[in-house]
Amino acid sequence: EVQLVESGGGLVQPGGSLRLSCAASGFNFYNYEMNWVRQAPGKGLEWVSYIRSSGATVYYAGSVKGRFTISRDNAKNSLYLQMTSLRAEDTAVYYCARGFFLWPRITLDVWGQGTMVTVSS
Amino acid sequence: QSALTQPASVSGSPGQSITISCTGTSSDIGDYNYVSWYQQHPGKAPKLMIFDVTNRPSGVPDRFSGSKSGNTASLTISGLQAEDEADYYCSSYTGSSTLLFGGGTKVTVL
Repeated sequence: EVQLVESGGGLVQPGGSLRLSCAASGFNFYNYEMNWVRQAPGKGLEWVSYIRSSGATVYYAGSVKGRFTISRDNAKNSLYLQMTSLRAEDTAVYYCARGFFLWPRITLDVWGQGTMVTVSS
Repeated sequence: QSALTQPASVSGSPGQSITISCTGTSSDIGDYNYVSWYQQHPGKAPKLMIFDVTNRPSGVPDRFSGSKSGNTASLTISGLQAEDEADYYCSSYTGSSTLLFGGGTKVTVL
């Protein structure tokens, strides 16, 4: 079964850091591009970041550029999101999602269940 | 960059057809055929319903169809069913190495 499982969410103070992980199974992870998408409570979806299958190319939304870093370990079938200088507006459920086609033909065909990040003092 | 524009809510009776619009600009929807639609039930992860404007992944009922005209993409649900009640989001590549989502539309089956 194709599956993505996020972890690492929790409560963090403003200005703090957190590292999210996404464990992939059921498919050849190293062949696929990956993304992080977030959803603030009661709000819509917001794309956060993208990484090429090799890890050589990454893109970020303007709202997180310079603060978040996406990475992957293909040997461990894992995707990561290192978040620093966190703000209250970063509070959201964070989803990892698989890109079915190559960028820019962005089609997110498999999603994890999400992990909640709360930034509050 | 502002989100793509969707109506906040759309409703219809079982068996009816409804259409959800998604309006962007000539820099995103108008310039690329990389529009997708996602369905999200409360507390669940989004599910891909339409990709590349008009294509359905396997397993998605053919009641769901997509189209595009100019800077506006649309999702039509024909023969509306109770299980179609959910939030729907469009997305488009923007040409500036980013992906943009719509604000979401709540579909209510009356």
